Amino acid sequence: DTAVSQTPKYLVTQMGNDKSIKCEQNLGHDTMYWYKQDSKKFLKIMFSYNNKELIINETVPNRFSPKSPDKAHLNLHINSLELGDSAVYFCASSQQTGANVLTFGAGSRLTVL
Amino acid sequence: GQQLNQSPQSMFIQEGEDVSMNCTSSSIFNTWLWYKQDPGEGPVLLIALYKAGELTSNGRLTAQFGITRKDSFLNISASIPSDVGIYFCAGPPKTSGSRLTFGEGTQLTVNP
Repeated sequence: DTAVSQTPKYLVTQMGNDKSIKCEQNLGHDTMYWYKQDSKKFLKIMFSYNNKELIINETVPNRFSPKSPDKAHLNLHINSLELGDSAVYFCASSQQTGANVLTFGAGSRLTVL
Repeated sequence: GQQLNQSPQSMFIQEGEDVSMNCTSSSIFNTWLWYKQDPGEGPVLLIALYKAGELTSNGRLTAQFGITRKDSFLNISASIPSDVGIYFCAGPPKTSGSRLTFGEGTQLTVNP
């Protein structure tokens, strides 16, 4: 039933490791996003995909690589994790690009030790 | 960079009190959105505003789109403990295309 689901919800890992977070939406939306929420709760967009095509790529280190196998899935792979990558990562979707009503997942809390 | 100033950053109130928070920007917005984030969850849309001057209610919540299109406020009347959470304003600055910008959030604590 969950509209936007992301896994895992919690991820604890060592510096230098590579990890992935998966996201799936069953809303039939065309556009998906990754947001990062830091310790001060500030939400910042990282990437946006529309029907598998990259639309927005903010100034994010290229250690972060999104992949969209189809319009219902947007995964985030992070290489060579650093301490500063610790945050909560939110997946979201909207009906189309430019539609500003986003549906968010529950978040994935990444802790890098 | 950050274009939305949200205040206050935090509020501690007693159950039953009314709450007001606002968002201002140096840029013109075509849409204002108010989201609420419960602990351990993602933000959920409360109210969407699409026209300058628009006043919209959702239960005990009321939000307005400022006439200048550079501000918005959210009021919560007769607060209850489950109103606890972080409230975010958001919108796409006219210059940003489809990029949604979020305010810094207002952390609301309601004491029973």
